[in-house]
Amino acid sequence: GDSVTQMEGPVTLSEEAFLTINCTYTATGYPSLFWYVQYPGEGLQLLLKATKADDKGSNKGFEATYRKETTSFHLEKGSVQVSDSAVYFCALISASGGSYIPTFGRGTSLIVHP
Amino acid sequence: GAVVSQHPSRVICKSGTSVKIECRSLDFQATTMFWYRQFPKQSLMLMATSNEGSKATYEQGVEKDKFLINHASLTLSTLTVTSAHPEDSSFYICSAGLGTGAYTIYFGEGSWLTVV
Repeated sequence: GDSVTQMEGPVTLSEEAFLTINCTYTATGYPSLFWYVQYPGEGLQLLLKATKADDKGSNKGFEATYRKETTSFHLEKGSVQVSDSAVYFCALISASGGSYIPTFGRGTSLIVHP
Repeated sequence: GAVVSQHPSRVICKSGTSVKIECRSLDFQATTMFWYRQFPKQSLMLMATSNEGSKATYEQGVEKDKFLINHASLTLSTLTVTSAHPEDSSFYICSAGLGTGAYTIYFGEGSWLTVV
C-alpha cells in the first residue's frame, strides 16, 4: 500500500534559520502530494500541494517540489518565524477504483525560538 | 478556499452517555468525508470513510457500533460516540474531499471530547 515517511521531530530552530523537513513516499500510480500544518489545539490546514512531477507548491514562504525520481516532497522555508511553530504533515492522495485514498505521514513538530 | 466546519469544538460528557459531532462542508458538496482521531502529540488515525448515502467504511480495529457515522447529505456527516468512556477522550477531526482539479482534502477545526 501507499506510505509516507517524514523525518522525526522535533525540529528546533532559531528565528530566521533555514528549514527543511524531509518527506518521502511510496505509491502506485501518480499521487498528488500535500503539506498540511497543525497549530496547537487546532485542526489541519492545507499549506501547499503539487499534483504532478516537477510541480512546485508554495505558500506563505514555504515551498516543496514534487520529485518523482527520488519520490520526495521536502518542505523548505528560507527564514522561519516563531509563528511557524506547529506540526507539519506530509500527505499523498492516490486514486484507486474510483475512490481517493489519503495517506499521511506521522507529522514533524517544528519549534522556532526567538 | 474550501471550508469545513466542525461542531462542537469542545464537549464534555458523562461516562455512559452519547455525544454527536457534526462536520459540514460549507461551500462545496462532499461525497466523501473522513473521520480521524488524534491522541496528544501523535499522528492522525483514520477511523472511517463516510460516503454520502451509503454505509461508512471503518478501519480495522474501530468499533462501528461505538462510533456511529452518518453521511445523510452532501454537506453533512456526523460522528456519534455511543456509551462514551474516559478512554474515548480524544481530539476528533473530520475532513472532506473536493475534486475540483486535483482531489484535495480539507479539514475541520477538530473537536475535543472529554469523557468524565
